[in-house]
Amino acid sequence: GNSVTQMEGPVTLSEEAFLTINCTYTATGYPSLFWYVQYPGEGLQLLLKATKADDKGSNKGFEATYRKETTSFHLEKGSVQVSDSAVYFCALSDPPGSNYQLIWGAGTKLIIKP
Amino acid sequence: DTGVSQDPRHKITKRGQNVTFRCDPISEHNRLYWYRQTLGQGPEFLTYFQNEAQLEKSRLLSDRFSAERPKGSFSTLEIQRTEQGDSAMYLCASSLGEAMSGQETQYFGPGTRLLVL
Repeated sequence: GNSVTQMEGPVTLSEEAFLTINCTYTATGYPSLFWYVQYPGEGLQLLLKATKADDKGSNKGFEATYRKETTSFHLEKGSVQVSDSAVYFCALSDPPGSNYQLIWGAGTKLIIKP
Repeated sequence: DTGVSQDPRHKITKRGQNVTFRCDPISEHNRLYWYRQTLGQGPEFLTYFQNEAQLEKSRLLSDRFSAERPKGSFSTLEIQRTEQGDSAMYLCASSLGEAMSGQETQYFGPGTRLLVL
């Protein structure tokens, strides 16, 4: 079945460092791909998404490109801030025609130190 | 747009008791989802409604779990005869889905944290 694998955390970086959180997926069709973020004490929020191959999603300085050839959707940010500390989840939607559920990675906790 | 709300935010119960959670989706959203999240894991799909119709149930949803969305607006999730393994965060999400799209964004509520003693 479909699945999402993301790098284990925690990832600890200093402020202004470059961030990459790896995400790879297995899917039989052409899913949409999502990054959600969960700040401490808050609910899941959509960070960015891409719905077809080679699309780039971007928001708040974060970017991710839908790479079908490598089945990846890595999250990047050029200069992280303390306020980016959160848990980041990569997810994919089940292919169209099904129940549209999101299939999730286990999450990567990001800690940014000043 | 007031967002997705869930009630209660926290619930502590004794093993064997029944509990019911409520979710109010974003008003114009036709799709509603329930997920369960345990510590250190991503959410797991439980069930899905399109309007008032429950179209999919995960095999994770045992017979002790039941969900309703009677008028296509709010939804309830009931767990009967709770077990300690039911302790988790229960998340509700809603989306405005177009037919056969699968690309829409799901908006999540804050969750209900259940602890079964």
